[in-house]
Amino acid sequence: DSGVTQTPKHLITATGQRVTLRCSPRSGDLSVYWYQQSLDQGLQFLIQYYNGEERAKGNILERFSAQQFPDLHSELNLSSLELGDSALYFCASSVATGEGEQYFGPGTRLTVT
Amino acid sequence: GENVEQHPSTLSVQEGDSAVIKCTYSDSASNYFPWYKQELGKRPQLIIDIRSNVGEKKDQRIAVTLNKTAKHFSLHITETQPEDSAVYFCAANNNAGNMLTFGGGTRLMVKP
Repeated sequence: DSGVTQTPKHLITATGQRVTLRCSPRSGDLSVYWYQQSLDQGLQFLIQYYNGEERAKGNILERFSAQQFPDLHSELNLSSLELGDSALYFCASSVATGEGEQYFGPGTRLTVT
Repeated sequence: GENVEQHPSTLSVQEGDSAVIKCTYSDSASNYFPWYKQELGKRPQLIIDIRSNVGEKKDQRIAVTLNKTAKHFSLHITETQPEDSAVYFCAANNNAGNMLTFGGGTRLMVKP
């Protein structure tokens, strides 16, 4: 157990819908990262927040957005969902930003039908 | 931005043999290189990492080497066991240090 929690574990929804994925970092970690992993694919970095502020952006679609709240938990919002958005979404956390270790949560499996 | 290439994409070894997975990166400013192991349907787990101020790091049966000049790093697993079977990902941080770019992964199969 990495100490990073994610909810829900599974999510099934229809095209065009909007969903929110939630992540709580390890105690003491200030940075949260979101990754997308499609079937048999690698990990694609989406976005990073550090202490409430957006710090880095990767290949995140405009239909996706995220935020980090004062209690440091983070939410990833996915809207106008398409079949291709079906994937595992992982959240990771680290103590700070920079070259620190990132610890991954168990992931949310999103299925868009 | 950073580009990380990983080889091979699949690797099959006999139990007890060694396994080597290689990665190259493009950003000469990268200074942190972690390796993750991911079992089917589970989260990636950090197994070892190396920073640019060292050339090699060992932890029991696993070791990582780094060649900054050539911009490549490798994972070595000795005395492989069936429970080592998983997908392994290498990664490198970017020049601002705040995000990781992952390689495409290596599916390691250890045959008993």
